[in-house]
Amino acid sequence: SSELTQDPAVSVALGQTVRITCQGDSLRSYYATWYQQKPGQAPVLVIYGTKNRPSGISGRFSGSGSGDTASLTITGAQAEDEADYYCNSRVSSGNHLVFGGGTKLTVL
Amino acid sequence: QLQLQESGPGLVKPSETLSLTCTVSGGSMSSRDNYWAWIRQPPGKGLEWIGSILYSGNTYYNPSLKSRVTISEDTSKNQFSLRLSSVTAADTAVYYCARVDSSGYYHPLDYWGQGTLVTVSS
Repeated sequence: SSELTQDPAVSVALGQTVRITCQGDSLRSYYATWYQQKPGQAPVLVIYGTKNRPSGISGRFSGSGSGDTASLTITGAQAEDEADYYCNSRVSSGNHLVFGGGTKLTVL
Repeated sequence: QLQLQESGPGLVKPSETLSLTCTVSGGSMSSRDNYWAWIRQPPGKGLEWIGSILYSGNTYYNPSLKSRVTISEDTSKNQFSLRLSSVTAADTAVYYCARVDSSGYYHPLDYWGQGTLVTVSS
């Protein structure tokens, strides 16, 4: 299967920790990437290679993965973390890409 | 700082061909460490990979769109383009161009254009 599955919506209390998951067979062969998208804006890369954080991305964001599941964890969630989060990976021969359906994170 | 900018008509009639161009500035397209992609997002929905064009000129397309999509590049102008034929209302979306960092194994989309809304309507 070339699909990635995410929970449609997740909520977290301000300052608490939240985990967003992504599941799919492609994650057994390829690394997960995570993007944050705020309303009206282009997606922003927040985690690549399942657990690597690009420069300039807050240390609140971390990634992990095992088997067919990858996770994005936000530790000490802030109001500005409220956004849609998408996972993505390579699939097939490695030159095709696929996105998960996205998770809407609400910070309460 | 690398920048990508999509351009093209914001309104396309049903059954016609959607054509968009992405102009890359602040860097060269001619690097084996990168390739280029188009992604779209229908209003209120998620991201969908449309296709990619590699340094070699090889192209890879989403199987669900393959029969209608063509991606090409003009490295002399630092541009790559998308053509989507026989469009319907279902093709109404914000279209993004992006760079894929293929220097390692991970292939993240590390730079994105701001996106351009294309509406299919008569």
